[in-house]
Amino acid sequence: QKEVEQNSGPLSVPEGAIASLNCTYSDRGSQSFFWYRQYSGKSPELIMSIYSNGDKEDGRFTAQLNKASQYVSLLIRDSQPSDSATYLCAVLNRDDKIIFGKGTRLHILP
Amino acid sequence: DGGITQSPKYLFRKEGQNVTLSCEQNLNHDAMYWYRQDPGQGLRLIYYSQIVNDFQKGDIAEGYSVSREKKESFPLTVTSAQKNPTAFYLCASSMWQGSSGNTIYFGEGSWLTVV
Repeated sequence: QKEVEQNSGPLSVPEGAIASLNCTYSDRGSQSFFWYRQYSGKSPELIMSIYSNGDKEDGRFTAQLNKASQYVSLLIRDSQPSDSATYLCAVLNRDDKIIFGKGTRLHILP
Repeated sequence: DGGITQSPKYLFRKEGQNVTLSCEQNLNHDAMYWYRQDPGQGLRLIYYSQIVNDFQKGDIAEGYSVSREKKESFPLTVTSAQKNPTAFYLCASSMWQGSSGNTIYFGEGSWLTVV
């Protein structure tokens, strides 16, 4: 079974601090990696995609990919209360299927 | 505006009824998907389609059916064979499947409740 694993949380982070969200995947042949944010009762919205090893920055968000360790993370700098949501990690595996993790609930403490 | 439109947003089904959820996209995407999400759970793939007139079962296809007669449309029917259909249903689309750089975008979702 090709899986994507995330800590379910909740992860509590003080406002203004850095939130670090982690994801591991089992299929070493995976090609593309995505982070989605989902507010309660709403559909997921894409935050970032990353395809090669290293860091990719977009505003307050940084995605990090390490294919050797089969690990992808999302850092949120200067966390805001509006960042409180569930964050879904998704991986495009070698079977051309996009597999979602179950998500990590993030709570930003005012 | 370009996007993915799902309807209805809320739907109630009586026991033994079939219901159909609509999904339309004007993004010119080739691939379309249906996911189911239960409270506190991740997304589970029901069906997906890469091209018109072709679709494949996902992980939980039993009790569901789909059609892809047009590129823009991918309706999902929840049949009476689906014993526990109460869930949040998400339609999604992407430019193509199987290529690096592929990204899935979601509609706003449909809430189905059995009464």
